[in-house]
Amino acid sequence: AQTVTQSQPEMSVQEAETVTLSCTYDTSENNYYLFWYKQPPSRQMILVIRQEAYKQQNATENRFSVNFQKAAKSFSLKISDSQLGDTAMYFCAFMKHGAGGTSYGKLTFGQGTILTVHP
Amino acid sequence: GAGVSQSPRYKVAKRGQDVALRCDPISGHVSLFWYQQALGQGPEFLTYFQNEAQLDKSGLPSDRFFAERPEGSVSTLKIQRTQQEDSAVYLCASSPRLAGFNEQFFGPGTRLTVL
Repeated sequence: AQTVTQSQPEMSVQEAETVTLSCTYDTSENNYYLFWYKQPPSRQMILVIRQEAYKQQNATENRFSVNFQKAAKSFSLKISDSQLGDTAMYFCAFMKHGAGGTSYGKLTFGQGTILTVHP
Repeated sequence: GAGVSQSPRYKVAKRGQDVALRCDPISGHVSLFWYQQALGQGPEFLTYFQNEAQLDKSGLPSDRFFAERPEGSVSTLKIQRTQQEDSAVYLCASSPRLAGFNEQFFGPGTRLTVL
């Protein structure tokens, strides 16, 4: 079974500054996907960024980037130029790779990190 | 609508009542997931449908939980004889093809409170 750990229950950052959210995971799988999802207060969860484990290059999406360390099983999210709209709960999630099978497509989430961006 | 919708948004049930939660995925999406999110926690997988076939129900916590997607579109999660520990937000997500690297699109959730 896979586990995902987010060790920072809460983080805060000033607007326009940079913040990094931590995530570690435990798995015996070699091929998998990793995701960061954002859940704003009382709003739907949306995908922020995703990474394929076989790709060594870190994924980037505008102000969002990841630091993927496969050997260390670490997948942190860096938010640059933080904006007030980034205030949300952030979840790191793991998905096993493979066609068919009972785990295909199933996301395993961490406990979440509440990020507050201050003006 | 453009997104995943769920109804009702809020449900209060007395312990022992049966409830039914509905999910309308994005039209044409093949994959549909149900997750349970306790207060302040991350979502936990309940079950997965590929079209009308329920391929994984390993996360359903007890036989009081039942899900269906008879025509491969709308899905219903039913909880029989609700207990206080069933109180949570129930999230539905859909994906356009077989999941994996494809994004899962989440609905707003149904907040169930069992008194």
